Amino acid sequence: QKEVEQDPGPLSVPEGAIVSLNCTYSNSAFQYFMWYRQYSRKGPELLMYTYSSGNKEDGRFTAQVDKSSKYISLFIRDSQPSDSATYLCAMSVFSGAGSYQLTFGKGTKLSVIP
Amino acid sequence: GAGVSQSPRYKVAKRGQDVALRCDPISGHVSLFWYQQALGQGPEFLTYFQNEAQLDKSGLPSDRFFAERPEGSVSTLKIQRTQQEDSAVYLCASGGGGSSYEQYFGPGTRLTVT
Repeated sequence: QKEVEQDPGPLSVPEGAIVSLNCTYSNSAFQYFMWYRQYSRKGPELLMYTYSSGNKEDGRFTAQVDKSSKYISLFIRDSQPSDSATYLCAMSVFSGAGSYQLTFGKGTKLSVIP
Repeated sequence: GAGVSQSPRYKVAKRGQDVALRCDPISGHVSLFWYQQALGQGPEFLTYFQNEAQLDKSGLPSDRFFAERPEGSVSTLKIQRTQQEDSAVYLCASGGGGSSYEQYFGPGTRLTVT
């Protein structure tokens, strides 16, 4: 079992829909939880990060972390065709080598249909 | 300002050839990471530098992989005697420091070994 599990989709929704993306994890030492967006043939772009359990909102995006269930979510409201991309969850813990090494999920491919 | 840049963007190598992939991090960033992203997968950690010191190389898949960052800025990932299983996108990320969990990714180098 991988440390981070993410349904790869693909997920197809109509424009304006609310999108829910999720990841589960097994390592209770993870401290930071991130969502990256990756367009085709581009590098991942940091969307949001959270540290503690609870919700964090940024515009149309809401990140949710439930450490007791080892479950994180990203909600996208009023989805737009420009949101079509692969969404990667990532988690990190401060390592003995002195860095926050990221562990990623597989990514969920999202298509928002006009 | 300028983000992380990588070159070349695409590289085709014949099995057994050596390749060198370059990363120019964001100016002033202390941390530099290399990740490998296979098709349909999330990025996987390869190695980490803090300035010129390689503090973590636990993710390098074999001794054919070698990375350096001699002056604490530009980094090169070298793969010797390439194999087909080395075909992937190689991503570089930089960050503000060891205590910074935020990593900013370059566009990646897509390596195809034939």
